[in-house]
Amino acid sequence: EAGVTQFPSHSVIEKGQTVTLRCDPISGHDNLYWYRRVMGKEIKFLLHFVKESKQDESGMPNNRFLAERTGGTYSTLKVQPAELEDSGVYFCASSFRTASYGYTFGSGTRLTVV
Amino acid sequence: AQSVTQLDSQVPVFEEAPVELRCNYSSSVSVYLFWYVQYPNQGLQLLLKYLSGSTLVKGINGFEAEFNKSQTSFHLRKPSVHISDTAEYFCAVIAGGKLIFGQGTELSVKP
Repeated sequence: EAGVTQFPSHSVIEKGQTVTLRCDPISGHDNLYWYRRVMGKEIKFLLHFVKESKQDESGMPNNRFLAERTGGTYSTLKVQPAELEDSGVYFCASSFRTASYGYTFGSGTRLTVV
Repeated sequence: AQSVTQLDSQVPVFEEAPVELRCNYSSSVSVYLFWYVQYPNQGLQLLLKYLSGSTLVKGINGFEAEFNKSQTSFHLRKPSVHISDTAEYFCAVIAGGKLIFGQGTELSVKP
């Protein structure tokens, strides 16, 4: 089966611009998660979708971040306007059942804000 | 709140030597524990997981980990490492339906 796909793999934008990251989960996986790793820090949870509904968005840093999952398939994460501290690697993961079964992660999007 | 601490940020080791990557967790309830690996320029890959049962868990690529409830540890071990094991390793625990990661340990295997 195809894995979790993220694109772009890299993005370099200027401060104040908008960037949209996309994640295509494994087909049939209702659970979709976004995580972020800022340079030198641990991987931190951003939010969790179950189908098209936000189950938990407690990790979203502020209202400059908007995640959507229309139709319960792919998801987008928009950062508007981007700030320097938003730089990092954004990971998407999906799972069929609960998190205890383990996620399948994508390769990540490396975002650099200059 | 549950948390994970990886005690070593970097572990250099020579090829064919044994290695142990340390992980301690804090939890007052049942734990589900994971080790993930990230090879250069790749995503996170599940190495192994502990949900219940035997405390010794075997994973891919010859890695294993032992769940120790009394010491709240879940250390990762491999008896003989290869150059190809060079990667970053993450210990994680399930909390509130999501994975909580440790800070990561960079394993560097030298010839």
